Amino acid sequence: DVKVTQSSRYLVKRTGEKVFLECVQDMDHENMFWYRQDPGLGLRLIYFSYDVKMKEKGDIPEGYSVSREKKERFSLILESASTSQTSMYLCASGGQNYNEQFFGPGTRLTVL
Amino acid sequence: DAKTTQPPSMDCAEGRAANLPCNHSTISGNEYVYWYRQIHSQGPQYIIHGLKNNETNEMASLIITEDRKSSTLILPHATLRDTAVYYCIVRVNRDDKIIFGKGTRLHILP
Repeated sequence: DVKVTQSSRYLVKRTGEKVFLECVQDMDHENMFWYRQDPGLGLRLIYFSYDVKMKEKGDIPEGYSVSREKKERFSLILESASTSQTSMYLCASGGQNYNEQFFGPGTRLTVL
Repeated sequence: DAKTTQPPSMDCAEGRAANLPCNHSTISGNEYVYWYRQIHSQGPQYIIHGLKNNETNEMASLIITEDRKSSTLILPHATLRDTAVYYCIVRVNRDDKIIFGKGTRLHILP
């Protein structure tokens, strides 16, 4: 089975802190994605990557950056966390021959 | 913006077929219809996809109208574990990003 894991299920940080969210997939997928999910707004794409060291902005990249140094790992970085970034963050991966994306369990981030 | 319209919520009795509708009247010829679901506190899960023919797998069936402007996801024998938010999505190809709409919250009634 495909497995996408995220470093934490729950995280509490303070305003201004630098936050790292890690995502690892074990299926050698080329594509990886970061979404955030908020009530009433659904899932929104933050950043995605088609290959190592490549990244593309999604629909709401402001306030975020990403890193893909290895194929299996895709990190989301909040340079200076704000309360507006309190959300559920979901990572997904998919290979070029896959029609579907496989999602991790999510990280619920609270910024105080 | 999501290119699909779904009812915000639906109820279905346990053991009955759940039929979830989706309108995608602006779908292009090369866009597929995908369905995902999200059970509470979990990440979304792929269910099924199709282009123009009806599709069936171990989870569900997908019926696409001949003009491709709407589709229906059918869960043949709904169980309580099928309670989730169901997302209908259209996308160009397998590498394209997924744009999720608000989905349909399906309640399975015992």
